[in-house]
Amino acid sequence: SQKIEQNSEALNIQEGKTATLTCNYTNYSPAYLQWYRQDPGRGPVFLLLIRENEKEKRKERLKVTFDTTLKQSLFHITASQPADSATYLCALSLLTGGGNKLTFGTGTQLKVEL
Amino acid sequence: DGGITQSPKYLFRKEGQNVTLSCEQNLNHDAMYWYRQDPGQGLRLIYYSQIVNDFQKGDIAEGYSVSREKKESFPLTVTSAQKNPTAFYLCASSMGAETQYFGPGTRLLVL
Repeated sequence: SQKIEQNSEALNIQEGKTATLTCNYTNYSPAYLQWYRQDPGRGPVFLLLIRENEKEKRKERLKVTFDTTLKQSLFHITASQPADSATYLCALSLLTGGGNKLTFGTGTQLKVEL
Repeated sequence: DGGITQSPKYLFRKEGQNVTLSCEQNLNHDAMYWYRQDPGQGLRLIYYSQIVNDFQKGDIAEGYSVSREKKESFPLTVTSAQKNPTAFYLCASSMGAETQYFGPGTRLLVL
């Protein structure tokens, strides 16, 4: 069966360090992968999208890599700040005949400490 | 301001009652989606609509119904057949096949 895995344990890091979050998937051949940020009690907010033929994407302090051989995406936040503390969700899109259906992982909670 | 609004923020349902969650967008997006989120779990797709007057079941459609009579609106009804409705409900929209924009969510609780 298809599966998306993100670290269920919270990730605690010190301010200024680089946070690295992992998204692994099995039995998918996604057209692209997206990362969203979700704060408690709020809807997810889109951060970055990377296509199957792209290896890396950057936006300010954020970087995403996509390895379709390993079936893995890594999400990096450099020079992390306490304001980066949130849950980060990865989502895969298969672009099936049914349109844009995203399948989400369970998310990884990031805590950036002073 | 462009965006997606959901109402109410909190909704209480009694046993055997149907309740309707509102979702409106002024982004001129064709596609709209409803997700359910339970504590510690990812988002699960309930229904989605790619165009007005058309919608498809997602992964957990049982006990829910939707309509799409207008481009801007995609209300979700939680029927009495949904035996475990307590959850955080999120509505989203998208223009093409890529980024989805989410509303602030409605938390549904059972009395």
